[in-house]
Amino acid sequence: EVQLVESGGGLVKPGGSLRLSCAASGFTFSNAWMSWVRQAPGKGLEWVGRIKSKTDGGTTDYAAPVKGRFTISRDDSKNTLYLQMNSLKTEDTAVYYCTTVLYHIGYMDVWGKGTTVTVSS
Amino acid sequence: QSALTQPASVSGSPGQSITISCTGTSSDVGGYNYVSWYQQHPGKAPKLMIYDVSNRPSGVSNRFSGSKSGNTASLTISGLQAEDEADYYCSSYTSSSTFFGGGTKLTVL
Repeated sequence: EVQLVESGGGLVKPGGSLRLSCAASGFTFSNAWMSWVRQAPGKGLEWVGRIKSKTDGGTTDYAAPVKGRFTISRDDSKNTLYLQMNSLKTEDTAVYYCTTVLYHIGYMDVWGKGTTVTVSS
Repeated sequence: QSALTQPASVSGSPGQSITISCTGTSSDVGGYNYVSWYQQHPGKAPKLMIYDVSNRPSGVSNRFSGSKSGNTASLTISGLQAEDEADYYCSSYTSSSTFFGGGTKLTVL
């Protein structure tokens, strides 16, 4: 069964750091382009960023609001995706979803259940 | 690219059809067929319902259809059912980014 399971969310103070993880199973993780999408309370979806497979260069792209503060990485030996979040702001409070393009080229078609990050003093 | 524009809410009665619009620009919706639609029920992860403007993933009901005219894409749901009540997001992507519409809350009366 294809599965993405996020972990690492929690309460952090403004200016703090947090690392999210996403454990993948049921597909060849090393071939997958992986993304993070977030959703602030009561708000819409916001793309955070993406990492390509190493075969395709392993490069990353980020949304403007997180560029320079967030870093996406992957450990293909552990089938795990990471999101390192630094200099956190209250507006980073959201549910963070791990997602991938698996069956439909270009489209995020497998999603995790999400992990909640709350940035508050 | 800025977020795509969707109406905040739409409603319809069971059995009726509704259409949700998604307006972009000639640089995104109007210029490419990289438009998708996601359905999200409260507390759940989004689900891909339409991709490449009008294609349905396997398992998605044929009551859901997508189209595009100029810079506006549309999602039509026919034969509305209670379980269709959810938030719907349009999305498009470029080589370096993905962006979403603000979302539309569908209420089934």
